[in-house]
Amino acid sequence: AQSVTQLDSQVPVFEEAPVELRCNYSSSVSVYLFWYVQYPNQGLQLLLKYLSGSTLVKGINGFEAEFNKSQTSFHLRKPSVHISDTAEYFCAALDFGNEKLTFGTGTRLTIIP
Amino acid sequence: DAGITQSPRHKVTETGTPVTLRCHQTENHRYMYWYRQDPGHGLRLIHYSYGVKDTDKGEVSDGYSVSRSKTEDFLLTLESATSSQTSVYFCATGQDITGELFFGEGSRLTVL
Repeated sequence: AQSVTQLDSQVPVFEEAPVELRCNYSSSVSVYLFWYVQYPNQGLQLLLKYLSGSTLVKGINGFEAEFNKSQTSFHLRKPSVHISDTAEYFCAALDFGNEKLTFGTGTRLTIIP
Repeated sequence: DAGITQSPRHKVTETGTPVTLRCHQTENHRYMYWYRQDPGHGLRLIHYSYGVKDTDKGEVSDGYSVSRSKTEDFLLTLESATSSQTSVYFCATGQDITGELFFGEGSRLTVL
């Protein structure tokens, strides 16, 4: 079964600094990868997804992620964060042919003014 | 945004009582999911549905049952609630497997 690891449970970052949120998944022949964001007291919403093709994926709000098959990683990055980026971020993976999306445990991003 | 409504949004109940959470969608999405969110565990899949009357178990299905008699409604039932089922429950829908999942605002359940 697929598993997703987000090693950093909390990441504090100064405003306008860059950030990287790490995600690793268990090896699979083919996998689809996603990043979701959850703002306080809300449901999750999709930031970006990788299905195939270019390994660099761009999403909403200036975020991007890079699929690295050899390292089984899908790290999320933003070159300059804003206060409004304060939220919890979830990485998720779906094995090709499966219908069950597996989420990581989440990373809480805190922006320091 | 997909129209997903969860009810109730908040519920406090006692151990041993039955509880039903309802998820209603207006987007005619094929797939519907129930997740629970707990600190340190992220989101864990309880059950999901891939069509009317077609459901399957997720990773934490013990103590839960589901039903989907209409495309738009997906019910999650706790037959006899336990304190370990205190959690925030999220419904999600999607039109296809590789597409975006749309989430409801969550239902906070407290079992005393």
